[in-house]
Amino acid sequence: GENVEQHPSTLSVQEGDSAVIKCTYSDSASNYFPWYKQELGKRPQLIIDIRSNVGEKKDQRIAVTLNKTAKHFSLHITETQPEDSAVYFCAASLNEKLTFGTGTRLTIIP
Amino acid sequence: NAGVMQNPRHLVRRRGQEARLRCSPMKGHSHVYWYRQLPEEGLKFMVYLQKENIIDESGMPKERFSAEFPKEGPSILRIQQVVRGDSAAYFCASSPMGLAYEQYFGPGTRLTVT
Repeated sequence: GENVEQHPSTLSVQEGDSAVIKCTYSDSASNYFPWYKQELGKRPQLIIDIRSNVGEKKDQRIAVTLNKTAKHFSLHITETQPEDSAVYFCAASLNEKLTFGTGTRLTIIP
Repeated sequence: NAGVMQNPRHLVRRRGQEARLRCSPMKGHSHVYWYRQLPEEGLKFMVYLQKENIIDESGMPKERFSAEFPKEGPSILRIQQVVRGDSAAYFCASSPMGLAYEQYFGPGTRLTVT
């Protein structure tokens, strides 16, 4: 099955700076890579995703890059704001089944 | 257009009791996934069901856990003889056609075993 590793587990960033979270996956057949934001006690919310036929996708302050050769993908948040503080999860889909990373607790320091 | 519903939102059970968690998918969705999230951890796939069929239960513990998605009514995740280690948030997600990019998560059920 698929295995997803996520780093770092915690990340503190000054407000206005950028944050980068990285994930690697094990199965080259995985073809869909979503990112979720989860606030305390809430459900995971999809914030951005990328398919395996695309190298980069951007949505306002959030971008995701995918390197299929290296089997890794990254989340980039620019101009961070206090409301970006949350736990972020990456995931990889193999045969339509999502395997999640272990999460990154992002704290934005005002 | 209601989203995915889960109930109860919070459930407290004593060790040895049974827990039943319900998931009502979005209208028109016939595929349901259950995930478990232990404290301070990521979501782990448990089971994938279509109406009246279990498609993939590779993430389900071999004992005490079962799931169903009947022709009528919600999907049920059943945990028999609960133990402290079952304390977790259980999320379901529904999908119209079973594709990963169209999974919509419910609010979760937080199970506490005392």
